[in-house]
Amino acid sequence: GEDVEQSLFLSVREGDSSVINCTYTDSSSTYLYWYKQEPGAGLQLLTYIFSNMDMKQDQRLTVLLNKKDKHLSLRIADTQTGDSAIYFCAENHNQGGKLIFGQGTELSVKP
Amino acid sequence: GAVVSQHPSWVICKSGTSVKIECRSLDFQATTMFWYRQFPKQSLMLMATSNEGSKATYEQGVEKDKFLINHASLTLSTLTVTSAHPEDSSFYICSAPGQGVSEAFFGQGTRLTVV
Repeated sequence: GEDVEQSLFLSVREGDSSVINCTYTDSSSTYLYWYKQEPGAGLQLLTYIFSNMDMKQDQRLTVLLNKKDKHLSLRIADTQTGDSAIYFCAENHNQGGKLIFGQGTELSVKP
Repeated sequence: GAVVSQHPSWVICKSGTSVKIECRSLDFQATTMFWYRQFPKQSLMLMATSNEGSKATYEQGVEKDKFLINHASLTLSTLTVTSAHPEDSSFYICSAPGQGVSEAFFGQGTRLTVV
């Protein structure tokens, strides 16, 4: 079945790098995503990676995908207090737009 | 990018009443929309897939008579929580698939509180 797992909490100091990890089980996923959710708000797509890629970089964000181990990570360089939020990884379920989400990782950035 | 608008952002209702939540795709058409529910500090759980012009597809364990979904046009899907109870209090979020990349655009979410 489908399952996406994330660690629940991460605390870093402002200026450090943050690495949020995610594992998934559906090897047929074609896209994997990272979403950001601020308190009381909807989801904001941060970045995505196609399953035939190993890495994708977008400004401060770097996504690494290890398809063999079904492991996805999101690295945020120079983390700022405004990055404090819950980060969800998600995989598509081969039905365009239907996503399976992890539990979310709450990132706390301390000044 | 594509915009999905959800309304209302929050609603408080009395037990036993019904509440309608709207999800609109503002600058694109969506033959399919998805409705998720999120409990505090938890992940999003897919409730149902809304299909324009046909019946919604509900996930296992979701009561279709309680959570009525209507997808009457290519830009609007509605979720009606009928005979609401306090345990229905939650954050409901809709999404619509994008064009091109297989992704989803999310609405802002609706915080429902049943008192």
